[in-house]
Amino acid sequence: QSVLTQPPSVSGAPGQRVTISCTGSSSNIGAGYDVHWYQQLPGTAPKLLIYGNSNRPSGVPDRFSGSKSGTSASLAITGLQAEDEADYYCQSYDSSLSDLEVFGGGTKLTVL
Amino acid sequence: QVQLQESGPGLVKPSETLSLTCTVSGYSISSGYYWGWIRQPPGKGLEWIGSIYHSGSTYYNPSLKSRVTISVDTSKNQFSLKLSSVTAADTAVYYCSETVTLFDAFDIWGQGTMVTVSS
Repeated sequence: QSVLTQPPSVSGAPGQRVTISCTGSSSNIGAGYDVHWYQQLPGTAPKLLIYGNSNRPSGVPDRFSGSKSGTSASLAITGLQAEDEADYYCQSYDSSLSDLEVFGGGTKLTVL
Repeated sequence: QVQLQESGPGLVKPSETLSLTCTVSGYSISSGYYWGWIRQPPGKGLEWIGSIYHSGSTYYNPSLKSRVTISVDTSKNQFSLKLSSVTAADTAVYYCSETVTLFDAFDIWGQGTMVTVSS
């Protein structure tokens, strides 16, 4: 059971827009801590996709965007492409007695 | 450009201690940042194990704290993970990574190393 909750899977056709949610609580996202997103292609290490809720590292296409509101955050991907098929993870900091760094359980994106 | 590389045995026997090292290139560990370990069991999600500040302060996942030790060797520009009393549940790909602060993203990752716990 992950501290941050993500849907196990989402799917979309090429060119479409998909969103992936990440739901936390008052001790992590709701406490104002930043949310970060990672993309993990099959057999590779996770790659930072979005940091600080909505910022893209250099080289990440602007088709990827992030937002945060209350105790939740979202990753949106527009103009879906075949190479976007991957696992996506959200991550934040938690100030409760549990984990300090917490990850979502991951969402498998399938491009139809 | 900062690069991280994990190294260590790929097979560990149950009840023994798993030991991994992460070698940092392109940046001096003693200059700052937090250096962390994250693992991923086969077919499962990411789990933070712990992080260490360049000065030696450590932060551990409470669920693993009793078995984890993370240390830093600034002379070799490396940091290490020791996980004791391992079981099959500790079988995973182990990644080393870096964050500027504990609130920031893990922006650089090693390629990961698979560790299997089996007799």
